[in-house]
Amino acid sequence: GAGVSQSPSNKVTEKGKDVELRCDPISGHTALYWYRQSLGQGLEFLIYFQGNSAPDKSGLPSDRFSAERTGGSVSTLTIQRTQQEDSAVYLCASTRGLDGNEKLFFGSGTQLSVL
Amino acid sequence: DAKTTQPPSMDCAEGRAANLPCNHSTISGNEYVYWYRQIHSQGPQYIIHGLKNNETNEMASLIITEDRKSSTLILPHATLRDTAVYYCIVRVDAAGNKLTFGGGTRVLVKP
Repeated sequence: GAGVSQSPSNKVTEKGKDVELRCDPISGHTALYWYRQSLGQGLEFLIYFQGNSAPDKSGLPSDRFSAERTGGSVSTLTIQRTQQEDSAVYLCASTRGLDGNEKLFFGSGTQLSVL
Repeated sequence: DAKTTQPPSMDCAEGRAANLPCNHSTISGNEYVYWYRQIHSQGPQYIIHGLKNNETNEMASLIITEDRKSSTLILPHATLRDTAVYYCIVRVDAAGNKLTFGGGTRVLVKP
């Protein structure tokens, strides 16, 4: 596609429910990142995928958070048993993944609100 | 990745140049300096990056000091649409290195 696409753009859920957030990277991009941004805060790295390599999960805040990337393209971030502190904008980004000297292309994010 | 220090906020007059400083005194020889910006309610947008030499593109110029311990992003003719949070990041040139965002500088362009 023309850019990184994220869905839904907004998600309101009740505390304790599970949610799934989707990211469609730019076609051909092998590297995919998830970040989250709480209100008024900077971006917090969550997880990184590169091709068929094991993902870098070092930023996931708890075991309630997990992510998959199927077929090396679409990625889903799952949050189980959501808590109010999970409320944030979840941003996805992708790059070609060929080397480190690349710019990240970000989606517009999913605004998650946990009531 | 090396830590960066930026002023939390600054104002700029529309039509004037905006000079955004960034300190990265612990930068290593293989770390690039990147600048991104985030306009309200949008994902971050790449602006420019460099290693040693000054760089210029259609959006901005990047001036890196000779010792590479600091840099300045220059928006030559700021417009109201340049109001955003600007992030200075240093990053190792290796595939897969995540960008670590600091607090950034909140730039307000005033008419």
